[in-house]
Amino acid sequence: AQSVAQPEDQVNVAEGNPLTVKCTYSVSGNPYLFWYVQYPNRGLQFLLKYITGDNLVKGSYGFEAEFNKSQTSFHLKKPSALVSDSALYFCAVVISGGSYIPTFGRGTSLIVHP
Amino acid sequence: NAGVMQNPRHLVRRRGQEARLRCSPMKGHSHVYWYRQLPEEGLKFMVYLQKENIIDESGMPKERFSAEFPKEGPSILRIQQVVRGDSAAYFCASSLAGGHMNEQFFGPGTRLTVL
Repeated sequence: AQSVAQPEDQVNVAEGNPLTVKCTYSVSGNPYLFWYVQYPNRGLQFLLKYITGDNLVKGSYGFEAEFNKSQTSFHLKKPSALVSDSALYFCAVVISGGSYIPTFGRGTSLIVHP
Repeated sequence: NAGVMQNPRHLVRRRGQEARLRCSPMKGHSHVYWYRQLPEEGLKFMVYLQKENIIDESGMPKERFSAEFPKEGPSILRIQQVVRGDSAAYFCASSLAGGHMNEQFFGPGTRLTVL
């Protein structure tokens, strides 16, 4: 079984400040972890993924995420937020060797204030 | 270099009618996934298909819903005798291969409203 938790429904941050969107997971094997972003009235867009190797993964638009096995977390971060980063962010997990179907979190709404 | 295409973008049906949602995957992609998104409920997996085969339909309601991905043409999600509870955004995604490591590419979605 696999599950993903995004504990915050909404994150508010001022433009120029660092941002963190949290994700924790629960799996019975080795996880593959993904972040997607959804802008209003659009489909999800892939941001980055962790498969293996370096725990710090860099992705699109200056985003990065750190895989922490001991804390079973994969938080999304950006050093300096932009107003245009305001969107809905989804974390997803797939189990290595298990079903190909990702389990998505409920999403976190990021609001960046000017 | 077209991405995943879905049509129609908006679909209005009366209770009892049929809804047909179409999805054309990215060029070269042979794996298609359908999801349903309700406000504040996140993305729920429905069905996973390869060309001419249903691989996993564990998220699909047993009645009224069906999906296909023929050898030629788009993937179709079909909802018969729609009810108000079917109102949602339906997203299609495709991937190059079906492995665990491959990210999915999403279409813009079809917003179904049942009156």
